[in-house]
Order: sequence, then C-alpha cells, then structure tokens
Amino acid sequence: GQNIDQPTEMTATEGAIVQINCTYQTSGFNGLFWYQQHAGEAPTFLSYNVLDGLEEKGRFSSFLSRSKGYSYLLLKELQMKDSASYLCAVKDSNYQLIWGAGTKLIIKP
Amino acid sequence: DVKVTQSSRYLVKRTGEKVFLECVQDMDHENMFWYRQDPGLGLRLIYFSYDVKMKEKGDIPEGYSVSREKKERFSLILESASTNQTSMYLCASSSGHSSGANVLTFGAGSRLTVL
Repeated sequence: GQNIDQPTEMTATEGAIVQINCTYQTSGFNGLFWYQQHAGEAPTFLSYNVLDGLEEKGRFSSFLSRSKGYSYLLLKELQMKDSASYLCAVKDSNYQLIWGAGTKLIIKP
Repeated sequence: DVKVTQSSRYLVKRTGEKVFLECVQDMDHENMFWYRQDPGLGLRLIYFSYDVKMKEKGDIPEGYSVSREKKERFSLILESASTNQTSMYLCASSSGHSSGANVLTFGAGSRLTVL
C-alpha cells in the first residue's frame, strides 16, 4: 500500500529552527508538496520538490531524497504565526496525490 | 486575490437528509477536487473533475456524487447523509495537466455534522 509518515505533533521555540520530516512509500514518484494549514483555514501551498536537493524560499526550505523516500521542511527564525499543521503530499505514478496526516507545529514564546 | 469559495462553513444535518456542498473558483482552473479531512488521517479524495460535465471517482466515492455543469462550479452531493459522513470537506482547484507541478488552491472548508 501507499503510505506517507509524518510526526503527529512537534513543539519549538520562537526564533528557533525546526525540521519536519516526511517519509513516503508510494507506487512511483512525480513530486512532493508541502502545504501549511492554520487551524480552521484552507491549506496553502509552501513548496514543491521533484528533484533531489534543497529548495529554499525565505525562512522555509524543503529537501528531497528520492532514493531514501524522504523529505523535510525546515523552518528558520520561527514566529508565532508559524503555529499550524504542515501537510506532506506525494504525487504517485498515476499523478494522484497521496497525503500524510499532517504535523501540528506548536510554537512557544 | 484568487479564490475558491465554499458556500457553507458549517452545516448540521440529520441522517437521511440530502446535502449539497457548493464550490466556486474564480481562477478559470480546469481541475477541481473534493476531499474530506478527518483527524489523524491524510486528505482523502472523494471525486475530481478535469473538465465541465466530466467526473472521476477518487479513493472514497461511496455515498457521494458530484456535478460540474459549469467550469467554475463543482458540487458535492450526499444523497442520504449518514453519521460517518460527519467531516470537514475541502474543495480545491488547479490548472494544467496532472503530470505537472499543479498547485492546489483550497477553499476554507465546510464542516458537516450529521446527527
């Protein structure tokens, strides 16, 4: 079966750095997405990786290793507004998105 | 500002009632999707559509149907609501072919409670 694993919850301190991991086992791979979802709101797109390596976008970076079936989202200089759930999704060989259950990130002052 | 608008944020219905969830996008996107989101589970695809009057079953279509009469509107229908359909329903849209990095734009969600 197809599976996306992420930690259920993480806690970090304002101003610090946090890394949210995502491991996947899917039938084929056609890209990996990260979305952010604040409580009660719509998920919004953060990043897309299809090749190995690091993609940097301001305070957020996303890394992909296709051989290891692994990605992480790195958030730097954490702010209180970064408290949200972070959803990892992989596009499989049929170009369908398989979603992880999401990681709830709690930022403490 | 591009938008996906879901008509109802909160609904409470009784078992057996027919439920309509409406979704409208203003981005001229070809692709539209209905997901449900439940605690501890990833988003699960109910139905999707790549064109007007076209629909495809997702992973959990049982108990649901959809309608896409106009490009901008994608409706989800629960013919006879059941308690196990209590959930958050998310509509999304995207442009381009599924093989590309087509980013989903989501609506704010419709939280349905079936009593």
